[in-house]
Amino acid sequence: DVKVTQSSRYLVKRTGEKVFLECVQDMDHENMFWYRQDPGLGLRLIYFSYDVKMKEKGDIPEGYSVSREKKERFSLILESASTNQTSMYLCASSSPWGGYTFGSGTRLTVV
Amino acid sequence: AQSVSQHNHHVILSEAASLELGCNYSYGGTVNLFWYVQYPGQHLQLLLKYFSGDPLVKGIKGFEAEFIKSKFSFNLRKPSVQWSDTAEYFCAVLEAMYSGGGADGLTFGKGTHLIIQP
Repeated sequence: DVKVTQSSRYLVKRTGEKVFLECVQDMDHENMFWYRQDPGLGLRLIYFSYDVKMKEKGDIPEGYSVSREKKERFSLILESASTNQTSMYLCASSSPWGGYTFGSGTRLTVV
Repeated sequence: AQSVSQHNHHVILSEAASLELGCNYSYGGTVNLFWYVQYPGQHLQLLLKYFSGDPLVKGIKGFEAEFIKSKFSFNLRKPSVQWSDTAEYFCAVLEAMYSGGGADGLTFGKGTHLIIQP
């Protein structure tokens, strides 16, 4: 089974801090995604990557950046964390037929 | 880009009741459709998917969904729910997300929070 691992389950950061959320997948998938999940808003795509060093903005990229230096790792970066970025962050990778595997999520609280 | 509408944000049912959760997507053509479930404290899991063929798709845990092309719908059903079905349910459509090709991504609905009362 594909495994998508997010390095932290819970994080608490201060406003203005630079925050790194790490995601690693073990099935050599080319496509990786970062979503945030908020009650009543579902999952919204922040960024995705379709190859090493390639990235594309999703629906809500403002305040975020990403890094994909290796195929298995896709990092989400909050350059200067703000309270409105308090959320659940989900990483996913997808197989060639489009099936997604999600990580367990990182619940980020910005205080 | 596609949009996905889930009509019921909160549904409360008693055990053994029948379930139908609505899902509509915004435009036609070839679509690949999914239902995901997120149990409390757990990660998203695939319930079922439709790519082509029989429009009635059977998934795990007794769930099924029917693709009706003329209605742009992909409703989720279960004849008799159990307390353990309490979860958040997401409908999603797969679409090309990069104009140069190479990445298909999921667009999700806002989710339906299902509570089953014992």
